[in-house]
Amino acid sequence: GAVVSQHPSRVICKSGTSVKIECRSLDFQATTMFWYRQFPKQSLMLMATSNEGSKATYEQGVEKDKFLINHASLTLSTLTVTSAHPEDSSFYICSARDRTRAFFGQGTRLTVV
Amino acid sequence: AQTVTQSQPEMSVQEAETVTLSCTYDTSESDYYLFWYKQPPSRQMILVIRQEAYKQQNATENRFSVNFQKAAKSFSLKISDSQLGDAAMYFCAYRGTGANNLFFGTGTRLTVIP
Repeated sequence: GAVVSQHPSRVICKSGTSVKIECRSLDFQATTMFWYRQFPKQSLMLMATSNEGSKATYEQGVEKDKFLINHASLTLSTLTVTSAHPEDSSFYICSARDRTRAFFGQGTRLTVV
Repeated sequence: AQTVTQSQPEMSVQEAETVTLSCTYDTSESDYYLFWYKQPPSRQMILVIRQEAYKQQNATENRFSVNFQKAAKSFSLKISDSQLGDAAMYFCAYRGTGANNLFFGTGTRLTVIP
């Protein structure tokens, strides 16, 4: 089946620094990828929809200047958390779609200290 | 706007028994897709089962089956012969045919008792 690889799985960074998370579709081309955030014991919250070759579409309340999304190719989307703060600590999950199904990356646990 | 409701935050089932997880949704669309995802402790989201709204027949995948009631906007998941590996968070999700993204419910934590 299709695979989506997300890297890194865990990252700890200092407050004020930036962190980049990569999401790759390994065996299919994904014109659209999605970035979710999941707080402990809660559901997935859609942050933005990433479209290859164009600007991402952000959900209401998500700061586009803080969460920079780049989708430069059909197999790679990146999420950069800029000037990270402790409240950005969370679990981030990417997803890519083919025509009928959504596949998820393994997730990235970000801890900002 | 589409909403997905899972009214059971936690459920438990004895190993080898059957359990049903509830999900209701709200939509004005006539055609759409419904999904159940499993999220084990590893946090990897795993597709369990998928249902197209235009199909009247309930989807089945081995021990997993759904009871899809379109008029009632209900989409429950039945797990038969529960196994210890079934313990996880289960999320119900909705996607419209014209939409890209999934709308998730709040999840049900399933515990399997040996």
